[in-house]
Amino acid sequence: AQTVTQSQPEMSVQEAETVTLSCTYDTSESDYYLFWYKQPPSRQMILVIRQEAYKQQNATENRFSVNFQKAAKSFSLKISDSQLGDAAMYFCAYYQTGNQFYFGTGTSLTVIP
Amino acid sequence: DGGITQSPKYLFRKEGQNVTLSCEQNLNHDAMYWYRQDPGQGLRLIYYSQIVNDFQKGDIAEGYSVSREKKESFPLTVTSAQKNPTAFYLCASSIDRGPQHFGDGTRLSIL
Repeated sequence: AQTVTQSQPEMSVQEAETVTLSCTYDTSESDYYLFWYKQPPSRQMILVIRQEAYKQQNATENRFSVNFQKAAKSFSLKISDSQLGDAAMYFCAYYQTGNQFYFGTGTSLTVIP
Repeated sequence: DGGITQSPKYLFRKEGQNVTLSCEQNLNHDAMYWYRQDPGQGLRLIYYSQIVNDFQKGDIAEGYSVSREKKESFPLTVTSAQKNPTAFYLCASSIDRGPQHFGDGTRLSIL
């Protein structure tokens, strides 16, 4: 089974500042997909960003971007210009075709006004 | 709009009772999943199904059962064998190579 590790159980950031959440994974495959999900207090799971392993370019979605280091098996999420609405639990996930999704244990992000 | 519908939003179970959580999707996704989430914890996979009439156990399948008779539906039964069923349950679906789409969840409690 693949493993996904989020080593930061909790993080905090000042409003308008930038924060980076870490994620590492273990795989012997070369073709896979990585995702970041956000879970606010409502407990809805919201897709933040996705990255295909075969793409070298890092994915970007507005204020959210990733730093994908395939050789290092690292997939960090950078949130720029943090807003109060960014406060949530963030989960990193790994998926390989025909298999299940593997989730990390999550990072709880607090945004300080 | 397409999406995943979980019902009910809140469910209470008596001792020795089986309860069924509903999950319906109109996204035409092949794969469907059930997760359990305990307070402050991550997602743990209960069962998943990649095609109609087929499903696989996840990490914590004991005390749960599922069926996949239709592509759109993947109900989860929490049996009396599950001694600690109080949790938040999330259903998801996906297409190959795509992200998972989640329902709004069902909160199950013991009476």
